[in-house]
Amino acid sequence: DGGITQSPKYLFRKEGQNVTLSCEQNLNHDAMYWYRQDPGQGLRLIYYSQIVNDFQKGDIAEGYSVSREKKESFPLTVTSAQKNPTAFYLCASTRGAGGRTGELFFGEGSRLTVL
Amino acid sequence: GQQLNQSPQSMFIQEGEDVSMNCTSSSIFNTWLWYKQDPGEGPVLLIALYKAGELTSNGRLTAQFGITRKDSFLNISASIPSDVGIYFCAGQIKAAGNKLTFGGGTRVLVKP
Repeated sequence: DGGITQSPKYLFRKEGQNVTLSCEQNLNHDAMYWYRQDPGQGLRLIYYSQIVNDFQKGDIAEGYSVSREKKESFPLTVTSAQKNPTAFYLCASTRGAGGRTGELFFGEGSRLTVL
Repeated sequence: GQQLNQSPQSMFIQEGEDVSMNCTSSSIFNTWLWYKQDPGEGPVLLIALYKAGELTSNGRLTAQFGITRKDSFLNISASIPSDVGIYFCAGQIKAAGNKLTFGGGTRVLVKP
């Protein structure tokens, strides 16, 4: 079945550690996104990539890094520079063409807790 | 940047009731979308709207693209317990590179 797989679903991190969240899609979508969700709030864009080997900062990129070496994969690293990393992280993808770029397919999310 | 004001922030539903929520902005949008998020999962697209005045249904859900292009409405008819969740509106502006902006969400809960 086609879809987006995020792992791990739950992750605990000590302060000062970097962690990497995995996002893999087999939908053959060109564009991929990372969003952050805090309790009671909407989704905020961290980074996005429209093609392999290219990515752009979103609204809250500070303290995060990404790579897009393969079309299927868009991992997110939460670095120690991110001051408040505890959140629910969502990866999404879209075909990115035909004017329907807002029709996102989301993964199930990764919940990161900093101890 | 663009802001989407979604209301109400939360609501209680009783089985069989019709419910409404809306999203407004001071900016003009080219596309409006509605997503639903179940607890602990990612959002799922419900309805996408591409023309001002457009009215689109998906089962018991109906959404409208406001004629001013600054708002959108989502109605749920004859609500059932599985309608519980968080509903997000989202909008795109072509002039802003089609960047997607999300509203803060409407949390739908069941009346005790």
